[in-house]
Amino acid sequence: EVRLVESGGGLIQPGGSLRLSCAASGLSVSSTYMSWVRQAPGKGLEWVCIIYNDGRTYYADSVRGRFTISRDNSRNTLYLQMNGLRVDDTAVYYCGRVGHGYTIDSWGQGTRVTVSS
Amino acid sequence: EIVMTQSPASLSVSPGEKATLSCRASQSVSSNLAWYQQKPGQAPRLLIYIASTRATGIPARFSGSGSGTEFTLTISSLQSEDFATYYCQQYMRWPSFGGGTKVEIK
Repeated sequence: EVRLVESGGGLIQPGGSLRLSCAASGLSVSSTYMSWVRQAPGKGLEWVCIIYNDGRTYYADSVRGRFTISRDNSRNTLYLQMNGLRVDDTAVYYCGRVGHGYTIDSWGQGTRVTVSS
Repeated sequence: EIVMTQSPASLSVSPGEKATLSCRASQSVSSNLAWYQQKPGQAPRLLIYIASTRATGIPARFSGSGSGTEFTLTISSLQSEDFATYYCQQYMRWPSFGGGTKVEIK
């Protein structure tokens, strides 16, 4: 059974940095595509970034240059380094395994990030 | 950017009735379309991909149809556990989601 557990969220001031983690079990983060998707309070979903099994990474325009997706194969953990945080980055951040095409077939429970002064 | 528009924004349905949810893409996405269900406080769950293929463990009362720019999710006979918000997502280009349809109990 696939299990994804996010951590690292919290309250941060605008301009600050935060690193989210996603500990995986039941799959190998190095062997599959993994993504981060976020959901602002009371809003819809936004695909943030993806990392391929070969290490290539891609980002939404809204976060490119500020966010970095990475993984630690030895820890079987996915990360999202978020720099230059803005108020509109406030959201629940979900990690997920990418299934067919760019769909998410396994989701974590999410971690909440609040950017506010 | 491909913009996904869902309608209606909310839908009131009685248990046992059929629900029909619509999703429109601003340009053709072929069959690169998925549907998700999300309940309050939970992560989304994948229901349908390639427009009409049910994900593992999804009951047969959920069906998807359409291609190009017009898509439909049908729930044939609503059960109590089906009251939730449903999102469509295209993956023809950089993935984007619709705004959601909330299915409420009538």
